[in-house]
Amino acid sequence: DAAVTQKPRYLIKMKGQEAEMKCIPEKGHTAVFWYQQKQSKELKFLIYFQNQQPLDQIDMVKERFSAVCPSSSLCSLGIRTCEAEDSALYLCSSSPGDWGAEQYFGPGTRLTVL
Amino acid sequence: TQTVSQSDAHVTVFEGDSVELRCNYSYGGSIYLSWYIQHHGRGLQFLLKYYSGNPVVQGVNGFKAEFSKSDSSFHLRKASVHWSDSAVYFCAVSARDMGYKLTFGTGTSLLVDP
Repeated sequence: DAAVTQKPRYLIKMKGQEAEMKCIPEKGHTAVFWYQQKQSKELKFLIYFQNQQPLDQIDMVKERFSAVCPSSSLCSLGIRTCEAEDSALYLCSSSPGDWGAEQYFGPGTRLTVL
Repeated sequence: TQTVSQSDAHVTVFEGDSVELRCNYSYGGSIYLSWYIQHHGRGLQFLLKYYSGNPVVQGVNGFKAEFSKSDSSFHLRKASVHWSDSAVYFCAVSARDMGYKLTFGTGTSLLVDP
């Protein structure tokens, strides 16, 4: 079973609505990552937190997403205005924080935008 | 820019066969190479990684991978597959000067016929 928890597992939104998904990283891990996966392939990096601070993110996240880690035990990823192209599986992972350390993935939140 | 290519989108073998899943990368700096597995509807699980030293690395469940600098490759192999090995396999690169994120290949879907 995944040590990283993600909620909800499934999320359905209408175009234009806001969406929010949460991630509980593995205890003791200082690095948290979010990835977007479409069509069960093509994993795309979205944003990376180290000790709750965002250190790296792609332009799409800066423009349309909101991501925070208010504590070491909870992170969230939000989409301010959902678009059809946002339909995907959103995977959260955590790691001890060292470069090259294996990442532990949650089961993902599957977002469907209608 | 770091890139990872997995030339085979789908591989089908019979139970007990050996299998090789191919991965080629393009990057000139210090990198970690890793393999992850994704069973249907689930998050990714770490299989193995390589940074330096012995170019053959052993992973879980009988998987191993061999690094080749001359070929820019990191192919995954298993001597005798089981039906439960059916999944999507992702090769990934993490470059020190590109942050701690993983850059994934497009994945290879392995189907093991019983």
